[in-house]
Amino acid sequence: DTAVSQTPKYLVTQMGNDKSIKCEQNLGHDTMYWYKQDSKKFLKIMFSYNNKELIINETVPNRFSPKSPDKAHLNLHINSLELGDSAVYFCASSQTSQAGELFFGEGSRLTVL
Amino acid sequence: GQNIDQPTEMTATEGAIVQINCTYQTSGFNGLFWYQQHAGEAPTFLSYNVLDGLEEKGRFSSFLSRSKGYSYLLLKELQMKDSASYLCAVRDRNDYKLSFGAGTTVTVRA
Repeated sequence: DTAVSQTPKYLVTQMGNDKSIKCEQNLGHDTMYWYKQDSKKFLKIMFSYNNKELIINETVPNRFSPKSPDKAHLNLHINSLELGDSAVYFCASSQTSQAGELFFGEGSRLTVL
Repeated sequence: GQNIDQPTEMTATEGAIVQINCTYQTSGFNGLFWYQQHAGEAPTFLSYNVLDGLEEKGRFSSFLSRSKGYSYLLLKELQMKDSASYLCAVRDRNDYKLSFGAGTTVTVRA
């Protein structure tokens, strides 16, 4: 069983479109994250939720909106996609918000044309 | 926030030892982590240091000096499967946010 799973794995879309990436963890963890990894492999945190509550909200365009319906799920919706949004988006979870051991999903590679 | 520096690339021979250095500047330190990421895959946790000194875990060891803002990851008896990117990450004590360096790509050659 995959611990942290995200879908879709690959996403190719046109500029201006809206898309969503879904993430689920079956580890019973309290905290979930979205990270963005750009072409230079730099992994940067975007959002973190602890028990459905937003606790970290980095400076990202408000076109990005996370949603956590329950502590096992964290989805990412992106409006009006731009070329610069092309990246690999990783979902991750940790036992608590203070834990440093993150468990990552396999990533969702988004390509905006 | 954090400022994390590590070399971009390193190459070593199978069976050898490689040391990946990481320096950081932070407004509030609460731990240093190393992650391994194979090409096209997710990062996976390797090690954690919060106090000064060496933590050993099989072929991998990680060292921390908080006063110098310095850590290294030591990979011994290198194997081909160790070819990967190694990410240094620092946790902030105020919000527990984990910030990553750009990663060091290690290539192991036969």
